[in-house]
Amino acid sequence: EAQVTQNPRYLITVTGKKLTVTCSQNMNHEYMSWYRQDPGLGLRQIYYSMNVEVTDKGDVPEGYKVSRKEKRNFPLILESPSPNQTSLYFCASSPAGGNTIYFGEGSWLTVV
Amino acid sequence: GNSVTQMEGPVTLSEEAFLTINCTYTATGYPSLFWYVQYPGEGLQLLLKATKADDKGSNKGFEATYRKETTSFHLEKGSVQVSDSAVYFCALTLAGGTSYGKLTFGQGTILTVHP
Repeated sequence: EAQVTQNPRYLITVTGKKLTVTCSQNMNHEYMSWYRQDPGLGLRQIYYSMNVEVTDKGDVPEGYKVSRKEKRNFPLILESPSPNQTSLYFCASSPAGGNTIYFGEGSWLTVV
Repeated sequence: GNSVTQMEGPVTLSEEAFLTINCTYTATGYPSLFWYVQYPGEGLQLLLKATKADDKGSNKGFEATYRKETTSFHLEKGSVQVSDSAVYFCALTLAGGTSYGKLTFGQGTILTVHP
């Protein structure tokens, strides 16, 4: 089954404690992205990757890092989380040149 | 830059009422347009899409027509059900080239349907 898998789905952490949200897709897609969803703001892109070892900033990259060492994986790293990063995070993937974008189920992150 | 504007919510309807959620966009180039739905406690699901002007996307009784002249992609359903209660997002992407699969989303519209 074609899917995008995120982990963890729910996490409560403390300010400053590094955390990683993993994302994996099994569709051999070139493009992958991370979004955050906040009330009244819709979803905003954090980072994206065009292929292995190629990443770039989206609209709200501050406080986040990513890496793309393998085509299927695109982890989101919060080196020093702060309460304003409390949000619902979505990973997404799509084929190069295509317009169908697949989303993971979301990861609820709370930073206290 | 690209942007999507949705009608402000929340929208509250009685079962079997007619639904319209307005969506307008600005884009450089020729976007593909989408409606996504998020049911309570769940992730995003693609509801329907349209890839060129005058295309009509449809799914589960929902419809939306890509109107290039009015830069709109309004979502409609003739008779809503309680199970349609969710958050609806309008979005666009510029396929290929420099978009790299990026979706630009509207702010979302909360729909609540009462029995």
